[in-house]
Amino acid sequence: GEDVEQSLFLSVREGDSSVINCTYTDSSSTYLYWYKQEPGAGLQLLTYIFSNMDMKQDQRLTVLLNKKDKHLSLRIADTQTGDSAIYFCAAYNTNAGKSTFGDGTTLTVKP
Amino acid sequence: NAGVTQTPKFRVLKTGQSMTLLCAQDMNHEYMYWYRQDPGMGLRLIHYSVGEGTTAKGEVPDGYNVSRLKKQNFLLGLESAAPSQTSVYFCASSYSTLGQGNGYTFGSGTRLTVV
Repeated sequence: GEDVEQSLFLSVREGDSSVINCTYTDSSSTYLYWYKQEPGAGLQLLTYIFSNMDMKQDQRLTVLLNKKDKHLSLRIADTQTGDSAIYFCAAYNTNAGKSTFGDGTTLTVKP
Repeated sequence: NAGVTQTPKFRVLKTGQSMTLLCAQDMNHEYMYWYRQDPGMGLRLIHYSVGEGTTAKGEVPDGYNVSRLKKQNFLLGLESAAPSQTSVYFCASSYSTLGQGNGYTFGSGTRLTVV
């Protein structure tokens, strides 16, 4: 089945850019998602990219997709302390009808 | 628009007790999911449903049962709770076709402790 991998931790200074990386194994994944989880809360959909796109920008968020290498990244520009959270990458497979989630990357933003 | 509502938010059970977690969504989503989240293990799919009256097993279904008698509700049952089932449980729902990049909508979670 699908396997989605992420690094577990990332620490940055406030104002810097953050880049969170993700790799997946199933080339038939149609949509790739980034979710954010704040302490004590459920996951919230941040952004997504369709598998035929290379890049998507949404305000401070930039998603890059390298479909050949099955590599996805989320860049957060001008990272703020409020961005501290766990970020999950997820790959959706239309045939399976469900998403596979990575283990999450804990982003810590230091003032 | 409430989205996905999970009840209860917290619960402490004794080993061997049973309980039911309720998930309700008001978005007319066809698909519903139950996940558990444990430290260092990410989200693991327990069971899911692709429509009213249907259920399917996920990665870690043992010790759990589910029912989807109504489209808006998805129940997760623990028949005989074990300490290994101590976890945070999340319900999610989605449209059957994730067109336009619609993703999952998650509830706020149920923190379950089995002692």
